[in-house]
Amino acid sequence: EVQLVESGGGLVQPGGSLRLSCAASGFIFSAYEMNWVRQAPGKRPEWVSYVSTSGDTRYYADSVKGRFTISRDNAENSIYLQMNSLRAEDTAVYYCARDQGAAGTDFDYWGQGTLVTVSS
Amino acid sequence: DVVMTQSPLSLPVTLGQPASISCRSSQSLVYSDGNTYLAWFQQRPGQSPRRLIYKVSNRDSGVPDRFSGSGSGTDFTLKISRVEAEDVGVYYCMQGTVWITFGQGTRLEIK
Repeated sequence: EVQLVESGGGLVQPGGSLRLSCAASGFIFSAYEMNWVRQAPGKRPEWVSYVSTSGDTRYYADSVKGRFTISRDNAENSIYLQMNSLRAEDTAVYYCARDQGAAGTDFDYWGQGTLVTVSS
Repeated sequence: DVVMTQSPLSLPVTLGQPASISCRSSQSLVYSDGNTYLAWFQQRPGQSPRRLIYKVSNRDSGVPDRFSGSGSGTDFTLKISRVEAEDVGVYYCMQGTVWITFGQGTRLEIK
């Protein structure tokens, strides 16, 4: 059974940092591209970042570029999101999502999410 | 960015009756490989999104056959043939052809 379990969320002050983790199981992790998607309260989901199977290629939404860094460790079956210079508008539930693996993007599995609250 | 526009935003439905949600994209979602990366997700209260339909009309494993997807190009539809109580939640369309964007969501409730 595919499982994605996020952790690392919490309350942080504006300008602060946080590191999220996503532990994967139930599939060959190194064969799948992975993403972070966030959802602010009452809003639609918003794609945040992508990492290739090897970790060499990474993409970011304009809203987080230069502040967030995605990485992965295939030995640990995990991806990470280092979030710096956090702003109030970064407040959201952060999900990791597996890309099904076709040429385009298709998220077939999501984790349960971890809540990040940026507030003083 | 590709803008995804859903309608209606609120959908009250009587149990056992059909429901239909429209999703329109601001440009064609046909990818260079010939596929159309349009998916539908269900988000029940307090849960993470669950994919129901991928590449317009392919139902995910375990999804009841009362859910169906159709459409092409820029115009897509999710249909529920007979709404059940467990279908309450918010439904999102998502395109994965040009980066990734989601529709605003359609809240389905029981009338």
